[in-house]
Amino acid sequence: EPEVTQTPSHQVTQMGQEVILRCVPISNHLYFYWYRQILGQKVEFLVSFYNNEISEKSEIFDDQFSVERPDGSNFTLKIRSTKLEDSAMYFCASSGGQGNQPQHFGDGTRLSIL
Amino acid sequence: AQKVTQAQTEISVVEKEDVTLDCVYETRDTTYYLFWYKQPPSGELVFLIRRNSFDEQNEISGRYSWNFQKSTSSFNFTITASQVVDSAVYFCALRGSARQLTFGSGTQLTVLP
Repeated sequence: EPEVTQTPSHQVTQMGQEVILRCVPISNHLYFYWYRQILGQKVEFLVSFYNNEISEKSEIFDDQFSVERPDGSNFTLKIRSTKLEDSAMYFCASSGGQGNQPQHFGDGTRLSIL
Repeated sequence: AQKVTQAQTEISVVEKEDVTLDCVYETRDTTYYLFWYKQPPSGELVFLIRRNSFDEQNEISGRYSWNFQKSTSSFNFTITASQVVDSAVYFCALRGSARQLTFGSGTQLTVLP
């Protein structure tokens, strides 16, 4: 069964540095998403992406964040000038075109900011 | 604004018991979709079930069943004959007119042998 893959599984970065989290969505999916989960808390929506542009974003997704689909397969989340509070699990997800299609999640990237 | 409430923070049951996880939601959208996801200790999010707002028929899938009641804005999830491998955090999620999922805070289910 096709799945969403995320790399790396764990990223450790010094505060102030930039990080890029990578995702390969399911190949025939049209919508792509990033969510984050701070340890022990609920999963929070960051951004959705469709037709090569951001379709929705949350208040969390400020100028520090950006997303890109640099080629036909990868979907990346860039965090500039990381802060301690950016430490979290970041999940990528993708879904098909119909509204009732579930979002399928990758295994996540654990980001640790030191 | 959308909201999902999972009032049960933690539940413990003994293996083979049935367990129901509660979910109450709020939305102003007339068409919406409800989902349950499982997050085992390894951390990934696994899709379990979905329900459309215009279909209130309740279903059973293997050991899973769900009870969707629009009148009370509830979407409860039942695991029959629980197993130790069912131990995980279970999240209820809502999708309205926007595609983003709004998650509840999760229920930690522990199934004891």
